[in-house]
Amino acid sequence: DAGVTQSPTHLIKTRGQQVTLRCSPISGHKSVSWYQQVLGQGPQFIFQYYEKEERGRGNFPDRFSARQFPNYSSELNVNALLLGDSALYLCASSPQGAGGYTFGSGTRLTVV
Amino acid sequence: DQQVKQNSPSLSVQEGRISILNCDYTNSMFDYFLWYKKYPAEGPTFLISISSIKDKNEDGRFTVFLNKSAKHLSLHIVPSQPGDSAVYFCAARAGANNLFFGTGTRLTVIP
Repeated sequence: DAGVTQSPTHLIKTRGQQVTLRCSPISGHKSVSWYQQVLGQGPQFIFQYYEKEERGRGNFPDRFSARQFPNYSSELNVNALLLGDSALYLCASSPQGAGGYTFGSGTRLTVV
Repeated sequence: DQQVKQNSPSLSVQEGRISILNCDYTNSMFDYFLWYKKYPAEGPTFLISISSIKDKNEDGRFTVFLNKSAKHLSLHIVPSQPGDSAVYFCAARAGANNLFFGTGTRLTVIP
């Protein structure tokens, strides 16, 4: 069975640009969450979606947005990139709105 | 404000001995705790969890202990193996909400 898949795996962007990260959850999982992991820190919660509705938002600026599609895949968008947005972006899925989360391998974003 | 704390950034243990990783939390609303293991270039992998109604959960070589009064949990790995070398994250959740992670402890098991 395919796990949580994220694309792209690596990305380099320039300050001020916009980026879109993609996530496909495990088949049957209806909840998708996004986390940001800065080097040397633990993952920080950005968004959670369940059945295409936003269920939670972390302490991130409005430059960060996300959505979930009818097939439960999700996109994370970040506008006006800053150097500090450089991080590993992790997507996690779960069958319900809570419970055991399975993480993807992440997208490594570098902002230069 | 860090609600989940792992105060030891690193730990080295001889192969075959016990590894003890510690985690403290501040939010008394947390009712579910998890440990994740992470290798470089991979996402966190779920290891073991414990509900706040229990004080111990065991799965093979891995045991998690929860002390609610002290707001402290620990992960014991016995015996430690070189393949256990990774970064271990403690995480906590309140109800159906998101996970709060600690900063991680890098475990090195020396052959």
